[in-house]
Amino acid sequence: DGGITQSPKYLFRKEGQNVTLSCEQNLNHDAMYWYRQDPGQGLRLIYYSQIVNDFQKGDIAEGYSVSREKKESFPLTVTSAQKNPTAFYLCASSNQGGRYEQFFGPGTRLTVL
Amino acid sequence: DAKTTQPPSMDCAEGRAANLPCNHSTISGNEYVYWYRQIHSQGPQYIIHGLKNNETNEMASLIITEDRKSSTLILPHATLRDTAVYYCIVRPGGGTSYGKLTFGQGTILTVHP
Repeated sequence: DGGITQSPKYLFRKEGQNVTLSCEQNLNHDAMYWYRQDPGQGLRLIYYSQIVNDFQKGDIAEGYSVSREKKESFPLTVTSAQKNPTAFYLCASSNQGGRYEQFFGPGTRLTVL
Repeated sequence: DAKTTQPPSMDCAEGRAANLPCNHSTISGNEYVYWYRQIHSQGPQYIIHGLKNNETNEMASLIITEDRKSSTLILPHATLRDTAVYYCIVRPGGGTSYGKLTFGQGTILTVHP
């Protein structure tokens, strides 16, 4: 099946630890995105990448880092510099062209204790 | 990016049409209107998009006013499974921000039996 996978679904970490969230897609999409969602709020863009080895900061990039070494993978690292890391993290991908529909993964719920 | 305004919540009876409004009075000529929905604790799902003309697909219809300052998403026969948060989004038309989506807080649609 084609789609986006995020793992794990739930993640717990101690304060001060870096943690990396996985996002993989087999849709052959060029662009990938990371969003953060807090309770009762809409999604906010953290980082996005339109091509391998290139990425841009979104609206709330501070305390996060990404890499795009392969077309199908776009991991997100939540660093200890992120002051409020507990949130629901969503990864998405889209093709450049057509209707630019973004396909979303199931999300990872990160809780920092 | 153009901002959108949506009512925070709406109710609809099962089997009736759900009409979700969205204001985007600052939209520019090359910006598209997109609608996504998010069922609780899942990733958002694309519904429909349009530029000037009304659009219809298997999920919904999109009515855009002639001046493009507002639009309405219509779910013709709402079911309980349509209960979700519905996001109206204006997508920038080009440049380095191409493909980026800015999510507001959306409208919580509750479909009642």
